[in-house]
Amino acid sequence: DSGVTQTPKHLITATGQRVTLRCSPRSGDLSVYWYQQSLDQGLQFLIQYYNGEERAKGNILERFSAQQFPDLHSELNLSSLELGDSALYFCASSPGAGGNQPQHFGDGTRLSIL
Amino acid sequence: DAKTTQPNSMESNEEEPVHLPCNHSTISGTDYIHWYRQLPSQGPEYVIHGLTSNVNNRMASLAIAEDRKSSTLILHRATLRDAAVYYCILRDGNNAGNMLTFGGGTRLMVKP
Repeated sequence: DSGVTQTPKHLITATGQRVTLRCSPRSGDLSVYWYQQSLDQGLQFLIQYYNGEERAKGNILERFSAQQFPDLHSELNLSSLELGDSALYFCASSPGAGGNQPQHFGDGTRLSIL
Repeated sequence: DAKTTQPNSMESNEEEPVHLPCNHSTISGTDYIHWYRQLPSQGPEYVIHGLTSNVNNRMASLAIAEDRKSSTLILHRATLRDAAVYYCILRDGNNAGNMLTFGGGTRLMVKP
């Protein structure tokens, strides 16, 4: 158990819809990261938050947004969903924001777009 | 971040040591070598990391070449539970962000 909790585990929805994925980091971790894993693109970094502020951004689509709340949990919002958004979405956390800290991953949310 | 090269797949017998290689010829002086693994149906799991010296922890050992252009993750006694995709990733220790750039990794198969 990594200590990172993601909900829901599975989500099935239709094209054009909007969903919210939730992540609770390990106790004491201030950084939260979101990654997307699809069959054709592999594991890709989306965005990092540190103590409520955006710290780094990857190839995150404009239809996607995230935030980190004062209690440090984070939400990833995906809107105008397309078939290609079907993927596993992982959240990870680390104590700080710096470039050498191990990240601890949750078990992911599997998003299926019908 | 500098690029790493790993074999697509490797096979091992249970209870034997496994040496997973990684080449990183363009590594810079501030790049740390990180290893993660992903078991089936799970999120990635941190294994080990190092800068210049060899490192040991409860999961594995990391052997780093003297010129730092390659490294080897060593599982001392493979178990069936070690079957996973292993990712070798370089991280700049000076980078204010901490994103991980995953390549294809090495799929390790463990035979009973």
